[in-house]
Amino acid sequence: GQQLNQSPQSMFIQEGEDVSMNCTSSSIFNTWLWYKQDPGEGPVLLIALYKAGELTSNGRLTAQFGITRKDSFLNISASIPSDVGIYFCAGPYSGGGADGLTFGKGTHLIIQP
Amino acid sequence: DAGVTQSPTHLIKTRGQQVTLRCSPKSGHDTVSWYQQALGQGPQFIFQYYEEEERQRGNFPDRFSGHQFPNYSSELNVNALLLGDSALYLCASSLLGPTSGNTIYFGEGSWLTVV
Repeated sequence: GQQLNQSPQSMFIQEGEDVSMNCTSSSIFNTWLWYKQDPGEGPVLLIALYKAGELTSNGRLTAQFGITRKDSFLNISASIPSDVGIYFCAGPYSGGGADGLTFGKGTHLIIQP
Repeated sequence: DAGVTQSPTHLIKTRGQQVTLRCSPKSGHDTVSWYQQALGQGPQFIFQYYEEEERQRGNFPDRFSGHQFPNYSSELNVNALLLGDSALYLCASSLLGPTSGNTIYFGEGSWLTVV
């Protein structure tokens, strides 16, 4: 499967700050997905991207499909306490469009009071 | 509308034993995938089932096997358990297709501890 490198590994921020994280792949992807996982739960899909250069928003979250098709970015604006959790990027396991997924190792977001 | 349901939620097994985990997909979904998530890691793809057949497989040994039933539910079986098999096992259901990404829903997982 593809290798995904996600950074940063963890982030300590103040409430109200903006957050940026990214994900790079060793190969070209035709789909990028961003998930959030809370403790004791399965990952929940935040944003799905299907086209190079695509910029998609979901409330305070915005994600972009890099034009090289080897990277993607997730931004969270004006963070709030419920944003705490682990954020994962994911793409098709074998590079196709209807596959199982390969995940990054996650970015752990911690919000300091 | 029920989402993805998994059972059991927690279980403890001994090395060498066998375990079966179960998954019911979201209503209307026809594809089930299984993932292993070790502590502090992202989920690792085990395999995917569609039309009762294994459609794709990740880098897992043959000790990991599965099954999909006509009602689309699925089982994950792990034989000869090792300590390293201790993990959260996640089931995901989806609709097969080129934009299947936004149809993928995960269950809450089954926590397996091997002692």
